[in-house]
Amino acid sequence: KQEVTQIPAALSVPEGENLVLNCSFTDSAIYNLQWFRQDPGKGLTSLLLIQSSQREQTSGRLNASLDKSSGRSTLYIAASQPGDSATYLCAVRASTTSGTYKYIFGTGTRLKVLA
Amino acid sequence: SQTIHQWPATLVQPVGSPLSLECTVEGTSNPNLYWYRQAAGRGLQLLFYSVGIGQISSEVPQNLSASRPQDRQFILSSKKLLLSDSGFYLCACLPGWELFFGEGSRLTVL
Repeated sequence: KQEVTQIPAALSVPEGENLVLNCSFTDSAIYNLQWFRQDPGKGLTSLLLIQSSQREQTSGRLNASLDKSSGRSTLYIAASQPGDSATYLCAVRASTTSGTYKYIFGTGTRLKVLA
Repeated sequence: SQTIHQWPATLVQPVGSPLSLECTVEGTSNPNLYWYRQAAGRGLQLLFYSVGIGQISSEVPQNLSASRPQDRQFILSSKKLLLSDSGFYLCACLPGWELFFGEGSRLTVL
């Protein structure tokens, strides 16, 4: 059974710091991995999608890497800003018994960037 | 690009009352649709998914049911709510490779 873990559960950093969020998964047979951002009381916003054949993806100050063999992904945020404060979740895409796809989520890392 | 609408945004219901949460999708056709629940301080739990009209798969046995009467409409229902049904319900759409979410419906059962 696929399990997704995110460490740390919470993180508080001063503005301007570069930081790394970690995501690990137990079954390397994934189709892709997606990072999301969730603001309090809101839905999830997709940040980056990494296909299983890719090693990394970049969008602005965000860079996500994927190492399938070790079951790990990292989200790197450069020059953090107070507006980056949110909960960050990773999810892996796996197949279902009926042949379609589902996403299994980690519990998230709650980030607070201090001004 | 696709847009996912969920309503109501907030709902307070007594124990034993029925429930209907609606999700509609714009901008794509024949997507996979998902219902997730997010309880306070916990991760997202997959409740139901659908690959097409009338096709529903349940991930966990519970007090809820789902239906997909139209290609871009996904409904979450209950005949009698329990206190444990309280939570934040999120509808998600998979039109291709990337998963997208609606803004969620917060349900409080009293």
